[in-house]
Amino acid sequence: EVQLVESGGGLVQPGGSLRLSCAASGFTFSSYSMNWVRQAPGKGLEWVSYISSSSSTIYYADSVKGRFTISRDNAKNSLYLQMNSLRAEDTAVYYCARDKNWNYVWYFDYWGQGTLVTVSS
Amino acid sequence: EIVLTQSPATLSLSPGERATLSCRASQSVSSYLAWYQQKPGQAPRLLIYDASNRATGIPARFSGSGSGTDFTLTISSLEPEDFAVYYCQQRSNWPAFGPGTKVDIK
Repeated sequence: EVQLVESGGGLVQPGGSLRLSCAASGFTFSSYSMNWVRQAPGKGLEWVSYISSSSSTIYYADSVKGRFTISRDNAKNSLYLQMNSLRAEDTAVYYCARDKNWNYVWYFDYWGQGTLVTVSS
Repeated sequence: EIVLTQSPATLSLSPGERATLSCRASQSVSSYLAWYQQKPGQAPRLLIYDASNRATGIPARFSGSGSGTDFTLTISSLEPEDFAVYYCQQRSNWPAFGPGTKVDIK
C-alpha cells in the first residue's frame, strides 16, 4: 500500500523557518518524481514545488522561489521542503504528492494527509 | 500563465441525480487535464487524468470529456459519498488548479 506521511508543520513567526518531511512507503520511491502542494485554510490547491526522481530537475512556483528548497533522500525514502523567510500567506496545509509516473508528470496520484503550517506572530 | 475557471461554484443535487461540472482553460491545454475529489479534512484524490482516463479504482460513474479549453466531469448517478469539492488541474505548463466546484446535497 502506498503511503505518504508528512511531518514538521507547526506555528512559526513571520520571517522564520520550518522544514517539512514526507516519509514514503509501499512503492519504489527512487523511481518517482514528487511534489509539494499546499492549501490555505478554506481555499483551493496550489502547487508549490517539484523534484525529479534523481533530484536532477527542480521547479518552484513563483510564490515560493528563492525562499523554499525541495530535496529528497532516496536512501531514506524521504522528501523534504525547507521553508525560509516565511510569510503569513504561506499558512496552509502542505501535502506531499506523487507523480503518477514518468510519463504522467504532474498528475498527482497519491497524497499524504498533510501537515499544517501556521505563520503568525 | 494558464488560468482555470470552474462552474458552477456550487451544485446542489440529490442522490441518484446526474452531476455535470465544467472546467474552462484560458488557453488550450490539449488533453492535459485532471480532476480531483476532496472531502472535508482529507487529501485530494485523483479521479480522471488526460481529460478522460479514470484513475485506478475510480468507479465507472465518473467520466471526463473535453479537449483544448473546455472540459466536463460527469457523475452519472450521485452516491452519498460523492458529495465533495471537485478540482480540475492542468499540466500543460506549470501545474495549476481551478477554484473548485462544491457538490452538496439538495
